[in-house]
Amino acid sequence: TQLLEQSPQFLSIQEGENLTVYCNSSSVFSSLQWYRQEPGEGPVLLVTVVTGGEVKKLKRLTFQFGDARKDSSLHITAAQPGDTGLYLCAGAGTSGTYKYIFGTGTRLKVLA
Amino acid sequence: SAVISQKPSRDICQRGTSLTIQCQVDSQVTMMFWYRQQPGQSLTLIATANQGSEATYESGFVIDKFPISRPNLTFSTLTVSNMSPEDSSIYLCSVEDGNTGELFFGEGSRLTVL
Repeated sequence: TQLLEQSPQFLSIQEGENLTVYCNSSSVFSSLQWYRQEPGEGPVLLVTVVTGGEVKKLKRLTFQFGDARKDSSLHITAAQPGDTGLYLCAGAGTSGTYKYIFGTGTRLKVLA
Repeated sequence: SAVISQKPSRDICQRGTSLTIQCQVDSQVTMMFWYRQQPGQSLTLIATANQGSEATYESGFVIDKFPISRPNLTFSTLTVSNMSPEDSSIYLCSVEDGNTGELFFGEGSRLTVL
């Protein structure tokens, strides 16, 4: 069974601080996605990474896919209250399955 | 992109009753997915619904408890049967963009079972 463990589980920081969220697995994924979910809403895609070692930037967010495609990280620079939410990584298997495995989630709160 | 509407957005139900959640997509899609999100937790896939065939259930989920219909390419329903307080969750409908792999989600249906 493929599992995606995220750390930390909870994070409360002050506005302006930097943070990194990790998504780890013992399994290889063909691609990995990061979603953000706000209360009362469904998750919304932030980015998809496909190639091992790939780095993608989305404004203050930097995403990296591990060289072995088993792990990923999300780094937020100068966090803002609008970054508050539940961050979820989701991996697509390599066996051709269409199913996405969601990580355990990281709940971020950025205080003004 | 896809716009997904779910009904109801929330409901409070009595133990032993059943509730059907509806999911409407603004475009035709081959597969629709139903997820459960327990309070403060991540998403767990319940089943995949293809039009014209029986839904495929994930380990731990059975058709008798979560019957699914998929009458056409834009609509699906999930029924939560014989509910207990452990079924209190957010249930999310989702579709995939076949080109990008992006998942689009409805806003979810928050069920509370008393």
